[in-house]
Amino acid sequence: ETGVTQSPTHLIKTRGQQVTLRCSSQSGHNTVSWYQQALGQGPQFIFQYYREEENGRGNFPPRFSGLQFPNYSSELNVNALELDDSALYLCASSLEQGATSDGYTFGSGTRLTVV
Amino acid sequence: GEDVEQSLFLSVREGDSSVINCTYTDSSSTYLYWYKQEPGAGLQLLTYIFSNMDMKQDQRLTVLLNKKDKHLSLRIADTQTGDSAIYFCAERGFTGGGNKLTFGTGTQLKVEL
Repeated sequence: ETGVTQSPTHLIKTRGQQVTLRCSSQSGHNTVSWYQQALGQGPQFIFQYYREEENGRGNFPPRFSGLQFPNYSSELNVNALELDDSALYLCASSLEQGATSDGYTFGSGTRLTVV
Repeated sequence: GEDVEQSLFLSVREGDSSVINCTYTDSSSTYLYWYKQEPGAGLQLLTYIFSNMDMKQDQRLTVLLNKKDKHLSLRIADTQTGDSAIYFCAERGFTGGGNKLTFGTGTQLKVEL
């Protein structure tokens, strides 16, 4: 059973640029959630994808968007990058929108630095 | 809205027990989780407890839930240096059509020899 894999592991971008982060969900999981973890903070919920549609969103602006593919993998896109977007971005996969007791399996994250 | 609070630091000696505390606000939370994060790594699920339980034990880990006070604790018995990490509690809540986790700010556990 494979876990959650994220790519790339590290990324440096310039303010104003756009970035795409990728996530492959754990085998058997059909739901993907994205979290932003700023330095010294707990992860903050960005959004969740289920059946290729966004079905829940946290307090993040529209320049944060995503996709889910038929194989349940997902992308997080951030447009017009700001310095405050520098963070660890975590992908979590789950079964049935996180409704089961198993909870969520997290990837190791993508460390994004905006300069 | 949901809010989860934890103390920031805890230092213990190797072999002692560690107790990490957490308070949450969403009384409708059905599951509460404890995650561990080592430097530069993602989150590792340690254990969880369903809201109709008071206690759950899993090897060295004991979770206590006081639903009336919305207080959750994680006890690690015989703490080892490998337990040094940041520990997050999280409550599962609803968002739109699905679920989300709301995390605390994390408690950094330092285990000294």
